[in-house]
Amino acid sequence: DAGVTQSPTHLIKTRGQHVTLRCSPISGHKSVSWYQQVLGQGPQFIFQYYEKEERGRGNFPDRFSARQFPNYSSELNVNALLLGDSALYLCASSLRQATNEKLFFGSGTQLSVL
Amino acid sequence: DAKTTQPPSMDCAEGRAANLPCNHSTISGNEYVYWYRQIHSQGPQYIIHGLKNNETNEMASLIITEDRKSSTLILPHATLRDTAVYYCIAGGGTYGGSQGNLIFGKGTKLSVKP
Repeated sequence: DAGVTQSPTHLIKTRGQHVTLRCSPISGHKSVSWYQQVLGQGPQFIFQYYEKEERGRGNFPDRFSARQFPNYSSELNVNALLLGDSALYLCASSLRQATNEKLFFGSGTQLSVL
Repeated sequence: DAKTTQPPSMDCAEGRAANLPCNHSTISGNEYVYWYRQIHSQGPQYIIHGLKNNETNEMASLIITEDRKSSTLILPHATLRDTAVYYCIAGGGTYGGSQGNLIFGKGTKLSVKP
């Protein structure tokens, strides 16, 4: 079975541009979460979606937005890119939104903002 | 979510047990202890989680103290492939909470040496 897939794997943008990152969860998983990982730090929570509704949001500016589609895939959008947005963006899926669920992570999208 | 404290780095000889400590003194009664690891250039991988009792699976054992203020992840026979950053996370127990919005720290970089 395919794991969590993310696209693209690498991306280079310039300041002020907009970017869309995509995530396909494991088949049957209904919850998708997004994390940002800056070099040398642990992943930082951005959003969680379950059944196409936002169920959690981390401490990120409104430039960051996301959505989940009927097939449970998800997009993360970042507007007006800043140099500090350069990071590895990770998507994770789980079967349900529950405390006892394992998270399965993709390999991430490496975003570089120049 | 409760804050966790881990040593920044540890070494372990190949074939020996690796014992990774974690302090979570502010953990609340309904918060779980989770362990994930991240091998270079990959997304985090789930290892194990527990609430009160010790847990064991095919990857590792989790020992939680009776007062739940600390825990130890044990890799019984470390191999070179276990070299990674190991994250201890306490959380996910709030109402409506889930593993989707976990708070990662900087983790422990475990180096397994031949």
